[in-house]
Amino acid sequence: QVHLVQSGAEVQKPGASMKVSCKASGYTFTAYYMHWVRQAPGQGLEWMGQINPKSGGTQYAQEFQGRVTMTRDTSISTASMELSRLRSDDTAVYYCASEYCSGDSCSKAFDYWGQGTLITVSS
Amino acid sequence: QSVLTQPPSASGTPGQRVTISCSGSSSNIGGNPVSWYQQLPGTAPKLLINNNNQRPSGVPDRFSGSKSGTSASLAISGLQSDDEADYYCAARDDSLHRYVFGAGTKVTVL
Repeated sequence: QVHLVQSGAEVQKPGASMKVSCKASGYTFTAYYMHWVRQAPGQGLEWMGQINPKSGGTQYAQEFQGRVTMTRDTSISTASMELSRLRSDDTAVYYCASEYCSGDSCSKAFDYWGQGTLITVSS
Repeated sequence: QSVLTQPPSASGTPGQRVTISCSGSSSNIGGNPVSWYQQLPGTAPKLLINNNNQRPSGVPDRFSGSKSGTSASLAISGLQSDDEADYYCAARDDSLHRYVFGAGTKVTVL
């Protein structure tokens, strides 16, 4: 059974950085891209970027370029997402979500989701 | 302003059929598979439909998806009270080089 377990909620001050981790189990970690999606309070879903756990290659949404870093540690099947220079409008629930990829073919869907991590940015 | 357009709300009585539309463009829905997600209150989204019309294991066949051109739709037949949730469509956008979501449709069972 697939599980994505994320780190706990945090409160951060404006200008600080935050890092959310996502530990995968129940599947081959390198067989699924890991995406990060966030949801501001009462709002919809927003894609932030993705990482290929096999190569470490990343792709970020333009609006987060320069502020976001996605990494992975294959030895512990864990992906992480760091967001810097936090602002109040970064207050959101952050989700990791996995996408099955085989060679150059990917499902283009978010097959499994973590439980979400609430990040509150407040002075 | 979401790239994919969904109605903000939909409703029906138990047993009815409800359809949710998702409109995009040639750079997203027109050229890539559409997926649908159900988000129950206070929980993470869950994959409901992938590759336009495929149901992952465990998803009831009351849920069905379709796509035509630059639009897609999700149908829920035999509506049940525990179908009350927000529903999102998503697709890869080749022009924006990112995944895009609809703003979500809140389904209410009357």
